[in-house]
Amino acid sequence: AQRVTQPEKLLSVFKGAPVELKCNYSYSGSPELFWYVQYSRQRLQLLLRHISRESIKGFTADLNKGETSFHLKKPFAQEEDSAMYYCALRAIYNFNKFYFGSGTKLNVKP
Amino acid sequence: EAGVAQSPRYKIIEKRQSVAFWCNPISGHATLYWYQQILGQGPKLLIQFQNNGVVDDSQLPKDRFSAERLKGVDSTLKIQPAKLEDSAVYLCASSLVNPGQTSYEQYFGPGTRLTVT
Repeated sequence: AQRVTQPEKLLSVFKGAPVELKCNYSYSGSPELFWYVQYSRQRLQLLLRHISRESIKGFTADLNKGETSFHLKKPFAQEEDSAMYYCALRAIYNFNKFYFGSGTKLNVKP
Repeated sequence: EAGVAQSPRYKIIEKRQSVAFWCNPISGHATLYWYQQILGQGPKLLIQFQNNGVVDDSQLPKDRFSAERLKGVDSTLKIQPAKLEDSAVYLCASSLVNPGQTSYEQYFGPGTRLTVT
């Protein structure tokens, strides 16, 4: 069965510190992985997707098929990065259904 | 471009009552999704439409939930009768891409917060 796991509910770091939000998935086929972000009082929005291999707002994420992981990383956290982060998987061979993790709240302290 | 619109933003009802939510996707978006997000959890897909047809509704509790997409544009999600465990935020999202293509960015609405007492 498809599943997305985000083991940390809350992650607190100081401004300027590196941050890594963990995401592990289970899926029998080739998945498409995404990170979505929800800032306070804003809508859920796409942050980045693995097929683009891009850096958005300093964040990067690499799909590791061997470890079935898609961790989100940023070398120097900023206070404006404080938000809820959700990892999501698109099941390409299952009606393109989306599965979301339970989310990690990132709190960047000054 | 205008974003995904949802109404109402908040709704409080008693158990066993009925409620309906409305969603207007971004113009031209063929795919529409309804998600349920219970406090402390990630969004859970309830139903997915492609134009006005249902692609997947395997996680929709069909004994009490129903959804339709009129003319492939607006959509309504109904709960009848509501239970306490239906308290959640109901999110609508839409995407432009048709199945088989590679880019699948979803655009989310602001959500409707339902409280069942």
